[in-house]
Amino acid sequence: QQPVQSPQAVILREGEDAVINCSSSKALYSVHWYRQKHGEAPVFLMILLKGGEQKGHEKISASFNEKKQQSSLYLTASQLSYSGTYFCGTGSNSGYALNFGKGTSLLVTP
Amino acid sequence: NAGVTQTPKFQVLKTGQSMTLQCAQDMNHEYMSWYRQDPGMGLRLIHYSVGAGITDQGEVPNGYNVSRSTTEDFPLRLLSAAPSQTSVYFCASSRSGTGNNSPLHFGNGTRLTVT
Repeated sequence: QQPVQSPQAVILREGEDAVINCSSSKALYSVHWYRQKHGEAPVFLMILLKGGEQKGHEKISASFNEKKQQSSLYLTASQLSYSGTYFCGTGSNSGYALNFGKGTSLLVTP
Repeated sequence: NAGVTQTPKFQVLKTGQSMTLQCAQDMNHEYMSWYRQDPGMGLRLIHYSVGAGITDQGEVPNGYNVSRSTTEDFPLRLLSAAPSQTSVYFCASSRSGTGNNSPLHFGNGTRLTVT
C-alpha cells in the first residue's frame, strides 16, 4: 500500500526551507528517501529505521515518528540543485522491496 | 563500477508483441526488484526477488513475468504488450531487506512505448 506524500508540489526561492511529509496507514519499520531529477534514476538520500535517530545529509535531514507512522524530510537553505521529485519509500521488518509514495515535486528558483 | 545496468534504454513495441527487459548488477546483491513509473503515480512495484530462484509479486504484476537464475540477473518479460504498459521501468538492487540499513540502487531505466 502506497504511503501518502504531501505536498504534491512546492516552489521555493533559493535559500528558503521546505518540509515534505510521508505517512502510512500501516506500521512502519523503515523509511527511505530518494530524489529524482527529470529523466534520471532515483538517487538515495537517507534511511530512517524504527527506533533510530533523526538523520542528516548536508542541509537535508529527516525524522521518523513511529507512533504517527510518518516521516518528514527537511530541506534548509535550499539550493538550485535541490530541484527534483522526492519520493519516500516504506519498508517492513520482513520486507524485501519498498512501497513508494507518488512523489513531491520541488522547484527551487533563483 | 557498473552498479545496476538496464538494457535497452528505449523500446517501442506493437500491441501483442513480447519482449524482455534486461537487468544486471555487479554488487553481489541478493535483493532485486522491478518498478514501473507513470506520471503522477510514483514508483510501483511489479516483482521482486530475494535471491536466485526466489521471486514474488508486487503491487502490479499482471502482464509481467520474472525469473532469477543467477544472483546478477533479473530479467522482466512482457508476455503480450498492451498500451497500458507504456511506462518507464526501473530495476533496483539492495544488499539486504528494506528493514535494514540498505539503500536501493537503481538502474538508469528503460522507456517503453507500446503502440
